[in-house]
Amino acid sequence: TQLLEQSPQFLSIQEGENLTVYCNSSSVFSSLQWYRQEPGEGPVLLVTVVTGGEVKKLKRLTFQFGDARKDSSLHITAAQPGDTGLYLCAGASDTGNQFYFGTGTSLTVIP
Amino acid sequence: GAGVSQSPSNKVTEKGKDVELRCDPISGHTALYWYRQSLGQGLEFLIYFQGNSAPDKSGLPSDRFSAERTGGSVSTLTIQRTQQEDSAVYLCASSPGQGNTEAFFGQGTRLTVV
Repeated sequence: TQLLEQSPQFLSIQEGENLTVYCNSSSVFSSLQWYRQEPGEGPVLLVTVVTGGEVKKLKRLTFQFGDARKDSSLHITAAQPGDTGLYLCAGASDTGNQFYFGTGTSLTVIP
Repeated sequence: GAGVSQSPSNKVTEKGKDVELRCDPISGHTALYWYRQSLGQGLEFLIYFQGNSAPDKSGLPSDRFSAERTGGSVSTLTIQRTQQEDSAVYLCASSPGQGNTEAFFGQGTRLTVV
């Protein structure tokens, strides 16, 4: 069962453009994480958000956790080719014994 | 090593054969997860180990799949009588546990069943 839906599924943009990726669910999560995965590699953790409404910034990336802790967004400013990859959100259950991964957003930034 | 290590990195096997995939988690991490990922897709949960507790096997797709974790460290995922639909990347992750849910992933094992 896929509990987290990401949109868009695919995104191809020009270098320098801004973009937003969404992660939505009808379930409440104790925390939500964003990962980036490059071809042939495992996902790498970018950020964890815990509090409803929380906003975290990581250089040109801004992550927001919804007030109800059911959804999240990732905004990238002035995208660079190095941002290319598969972005995955993952919600943690209250017990922390499962991570429910989103469907993924494949981002391509064209130089 | 400092990170999660998986072996082999690639495995090609004939349909019907058994395979074993290995995961060495980060030292001291009590939680270990196995996921399966089809090309360019999200991750499908398979199984979760936490310390000495009984594993959560709710994600295993069939009784051909099993996993063990020996001594609270190394884990082995076994697929018996492999089928072509088993072809995927199998990812292992570990996390500190005890309320810390941040997962660190290995590079995965790419399994191809021919």
